[in-house]
Amino acid sequence: DARVTQTPRHKVTEMGQEVTMRCQPILGHNTVFWYRQTMMQGLELLAYFRNRAPLDDSGMPKDRFSAEMPDATLATLKIQPSEPRDSAVYFCASGLPPGPAYFGPGTRLTVL
Amino acid sequence: DAKTTQPTSMDCAEGRAANLPCNHSTISGNEYVYWYRQIHSQGPQYIIHGLKNNETNEMASLIITEDRKSSTLILPHATLRDTAVYYCIVRVDPKGGYQKVTFGTGTKLQVIP
Repeated sequence: DARVTQTPRHKVTEMGQEVTMRCQPILGHNTVFWYRQTMMQGLELLAYFRNRAPLDDSGMPKDRFSAEMPDATLATLKIQPSEPRDSAVYFCASGLPPGPAYFGPGTRLTVL
Repeated sequence: DAKTTQPTSMDCAEGRAANLPCNHSTISGNEYVYWYRQIHSQGPQYIIHGLKNNETNEMASLIITEDRKSSTLILPHATLRDTAVYYCIVRVDPKGGYQKVTFGTGTKLQVIP
């Protein structure tokens, strides 16, 4: 049963520290999404990639967030420097058109 | 992508059918209807999707009105494990590759013993 995996599952850090979240998409999927979920904003799309190329990152704060796909099996989302308002659950999802996107379990980030 | 409207919350008795409505009156001809659900703090889970014909899989049935302006997700025999937030989403023909998919606030379904 193929699944999207995300690491770490939980991260607690102090304000100003760099945070890196990793995602392994389902093998063969060519599209990867990053979402952020908070109680106030719900699920927000931050960025998505197709064939490792960024297609849209308009939802991402550019000054501190960056998303990359070093290879087809790894997507990363970095925050530098982190701030308390970045505390949220970050979800990665992958898909292969015309099929649906499948979500990972998320990384719960707490910035103190 | 077309905007969707869903009730904020619904209750359903365990063992009964849960019927979750979604309004998407501005849907375009090439937009599909997708349903996802999110159980507590887990990642959203894909349930079903369709264009204009009714669809059924092992999880649920999707009924789309003839004018495609609304749809209903049916969980035929709701269990306590179906308690979740259900999201209705519309997006363009996935054969052309994904476009931005945004989630609304969804319907919080509470299955009652």
